Amino acid sequence: QKEVEQDPGPLSVPEGAIVSLNCTYSNSAFQYFMWYRQYSRKGPELLMYTYSSGNKEDGRFTAQVDKSSKYISLFIRDSQPSDSATYLCAMSARKDSSYKLIFGSGTRLLVRP
Amino acid sequence: SQTIHQWPATLVQPVGSPLSLECTVEGTSNPNLYWYRQAAGRGLQLLFYSVGIGQISSEVPQNLSASRPQDRQFILSSKKLLLSDSGFYLCASRHTGYQNTEAFFGQGTRLTVV
Repeated sequence: QKEVEQDPGPLSVPEGAIVSLNCTYSNSAFQYFMWYRQYSRKGPELLMYTYSSGNKEDGRFTAQVDKSSKYISLFIRDSQPSDSATYLCAMSARKDSSYKLIFGSGTRLLVRP
Repeated sequence: SQTIHQWPATLVQPVGSPLSLECTVEGTSNPNLYWYRQAAGRGLQLLFYSVGIGQISSEVPQNLSASRPQDRQFILSSKKLLLSDSGFYLCASRHTGYQNTEAFFGQGTRLTVV
């Protein structure tokens, strides 16, 4: 079993839709959670960073962490064609001094005009 | 925030040739540094990480090696490339403070071994 599971998609939605992207994990020691956006042939770009359970909002993006269920989500409101990219979740354990980030496989999102 | 410089952006190398990819970091000191490889349509596989100068940890057995000669310089190398070494290589940097442990990535090097 992988430490982090993420549906690869692709996920195709119309412009303006609400998008929900999700990851599950098995390591209860994970405490830092991140979402990255990666355009084709580019390096990943940090979107959201959360430490602890709950919600964090930044513009059209909301990150949600449920540690009891080992489940994290990224919601995109009013999706735009420019949001079309691969979204990667990542997480690490506070007690791990190497601060290794473990990534999901990424979900490819396509927002249709 | 940190800036990660990687070069070259693309590279085509014959099987059996050596490899040297360089990564330098600006905007932080004493970062943790990482090399990841991303196969087409797949997630990021951690190859090496370094918590300080001269300190390298390998995550998977492979044909590659890494070195950290300076605080903000991380090098990925191979003596003889294999076809299976093709992929998208990403360098990442992470501040080692208690908070703000986001990782920042370079723009990557696309390596094709022919």
